[in-house]
Amino acid sequence: RKEVEQDPGPFNVPEGATVAFNCTYSNSASQSFFWYRQDCRKEPKLLMSVYSSGNEDGRFTAQLNRASQYISLLIRDSKLSDSATYLCVVAGTGGFKTIFGAGTRLFVKA
Amino acid sequence: IAGITQAPTSQILAAGRRMTLRCTQDMRHNAMYWYRQDLGLGLRLIHYSNTAGTTGKGEVPDGYSVSRANTDDFPLTLASAVPSQTSVYFCASSDSLAGGPGANVLTFGAGSRLTVL
Repeated sequence: RKEVEQDPGPFNVPEGATVAFNCTYSNSASQSFFWYRQDCRKEPKLLMSVYSSGNEDGRFTAQLNRASQYISLLIRDSKLSDSATYLCVVAGTGGFKTIFGAGTRLFVKA
Repeated sequence: IAGITQAPTSQILAAGRRMTLRCTQDMRHNAMYWYRQDLGLGLRLIHYSNTAGTTGKGEVPDGYSVSRANTDDFPLTLASAVPSQTSVYFCASSDSLAGGPGANVLTFGAGSRLTVL
């Protein structure tokens, strides 16, 4: 079993749609959780951190369920510019224990 | 602009040749990392360094070596390249001594696309 698992997609949605991505992790000792965004042929960039209480940044909402070892990302009112690969990231103590999921591809169409 | 600079951007290399990918950061981050990214496999850690003068092995270290002579530079060397090392290589850094979840936030360079024939 992979340490961090994501549905690879692709998710094809129309503009304005709401889309949700899920991610599960296997190490219950994981301490930090993130979503990164990666555009085609570009480097990954931090989208948002994920906290147990849930957090929101504009159209993006991230949730963490430690009991189920599950992370989610919700995108509301999808824009064409949201088309990218979204990487679920789980970290332990120190950055070298950071584990990346393989990513979920999103295509938003007009 | 603060960040990470990688070189070369892309390279085609004959099998058996030696190659060094360069990585320089100007954020004074203590920790640096090399990842490779392959389709369907995501990002896999090759080597890391928590501070200047120390290095460690990641998930896929075989065939690669690194050095960390100072805070800013973290070169990755392929001593004798093989076709399976064809990949996109990303260098990253983090301020892992910072408190809280920010310690695990990675900043990436733009990547080096390597093709070994």
